[in-house]
Amino acid sequence: DAKTTQPNSMESNEEEPVHLPCNHSTISGTDYIHWYRQLPSQGPEYVIHGLTSNVNNRMASLAIAEDRKSSTLILHRATLRDAAVYYCILRDHTGANSKLTFGKGITLSVRP
Amino acid sequence: KAGVTQTPRYLIKTRGQQVTLSCSPISGHRSVSWYQQTPGQGLQFLFEYFSETQRNKGNFPGRFSGRQFSNSRSEMNVSTLELGDSALYLCASSLGQVGRNGYGYTFGSGTRLTVV
Repeated sequence: DAKTTQPNSMESNEEEPVHLPCNHSTISGTDYIHWYRQLPSQGPEYVIHGLTSNVNNRMASLAIAEDRKSSTLILHRATLRDAAVYYCILRDHTGANSKLTFGKGITLSVRP
Repeated sequence: KAGVTQTPRYLIKTRGQQVTLSCSPISGHRSVSWYQQTPGQGLQFLFEYFSETQRNKGNFPGRFSGRQFSNSRSEMNVSTLELGDSALYLCASSLGQVGRNGYGYTFGSGTRLTVV
């Protein structure tokens, strides 16, 4: 499976934007980039995914580098409820091997 | 609409026993996956089912098995429980066929299994 590399932790101030980076230099052409987050005592929660173009939804934005070797999850205004572990995952969309391979993720702390 | 429902939420079993966990996916979702989460190993993929067929399997011993019913509900079974099987077991469902079109997964809150 193609691997992703993320920093172990990041801190942010409430109501400020947060940029969470992810490196995936071995990404293949059929891999989607998925982001999930896991709040304490809950299962992971889907945040966003993309293939080549930048993506926006109500939760976040995903900026994908032109060479697709890295991406950034952007939370436009962090709230205390955004404190969680954020996972960047590559997922082969062809059906050959579609499991989600979770790394250790980024632990995001939000300061009030 | 209702989310992914896992039952029971908590379970305590003795070594050597077997256990069955249940997962009801979101209505209309036909793909169901199972994951094990432990502090040491993190989230690890167990298996995935689509249309009652196992489509993908992780690196777990044969003591771990699962199945999916015609209504997409899924169960996983662990036989001959070991202390190391203590974990949070998570179920996730997805709308699309396995791997197609990059569909996201919706996870349940999990079943916390403790083996004593």
